[in-house]
Amino acid sequence: DAGITQSPRHKVTETGTPVTLRCHQTENHRYMYWYRQDPGHGLRLIHYSYGVKDTDKGEVSDGYSVSRSKTEDFLLTLESATSSQTSVYFCAISESGLPRVAGKRNTDTQYFGPGTRLTVL
Amino acid sequence: QKEVEQNSGPLSVPEGAIASLNCTYSDRVSQSFFWYRQYSGKSPELIMSIYSNGDKEDGRFTAQLNKASQYVSLLIRDSQPSDSATYLCAVNSMEYGNKLVFGAGTILRVKS
Repeated sequence: DAGITQSPRHKVTETGTPVTLRCHQTENHRYMYWYRQDPGHGLRLIHYSYGVKDTDKGEVSDGYSVSRSKTEDFLLTLESATSSQTSVYFCAISESGLPRVAGKRNTDTQYFGPGTRLTVL
Repeated sequence: QKEVEQNSGPLSVPEGAIASLNCTYSDRVSQSFFWYRQYSGKSPELIMSIYSNGDKEDGRFTAQLNKASQYVSLLIRDSQPSDSATYLCAVNSMEYGNKLVFGAGTILRVKS
C-alpha cells in the first residue's frame, strides 16, 4: 500500500459521537486525500490537502473536517457521526496534484491506503 | 449527468479471453486517466495511467484513450480467474480542482 497506513481499520460507533480517522504516510508526498466508498457511488472525494495546514473541500465534505499538522499525517473527523456516514473510508496520496511526468513517474498518480470500515449505529 | 460512467456489469468472460472494460467522461479538458483494480474488501490498486490519445500497453493490459470521443478503455488479454475484481476508471476534473473523479466501477468475472 505504498507506505500508507490507516487507523483504526474497523470502528463501530453510535450516532452523535465524534470520530477521528488517521492516515499516515512514509512517502513524503505533498498531497493527501480522504475518500468514502459506498455501493453504487464509487469513490467520492471528501477533503484533500496540498501541504501542511493547507486543505480544501471535495465533492461530499458536509459533516466532515480535516487537519494536517505534519506532512505524514492527515486526520478526518466526523464531529457528530450519523448513520449516513457508515461507509468505507480510504486515504490516498500523490506527489503532486497536476498531471506531470517526472522521469518515468506520473506525479499525480494516487496511491491508496488499506481503508477503514466505519459503522455508525 | 455523472462525470465518469462505467457499466456496472458484471462482465463475464471465459479464462484466456480478452476482457474489454469501457469508461466515458464528461469533462472535455481532462488530462489524466487511470484504471484501478479493486478486489473485494481491499483498497484500489493502480493498473494503468494514460495521458495521450492512443494505446498504452503494459504486460497483459492495454489502455486506450480517445479524447475526441471522451472515451477510455482497458483491455485485459489472456484473462485469468485472478483478474476477477472491480475495475475503477478515474479521470481528473477541473470542476473539482483538478482532482480525480471515479466511476462506480465494473465488476469483472473470469470463469475457468
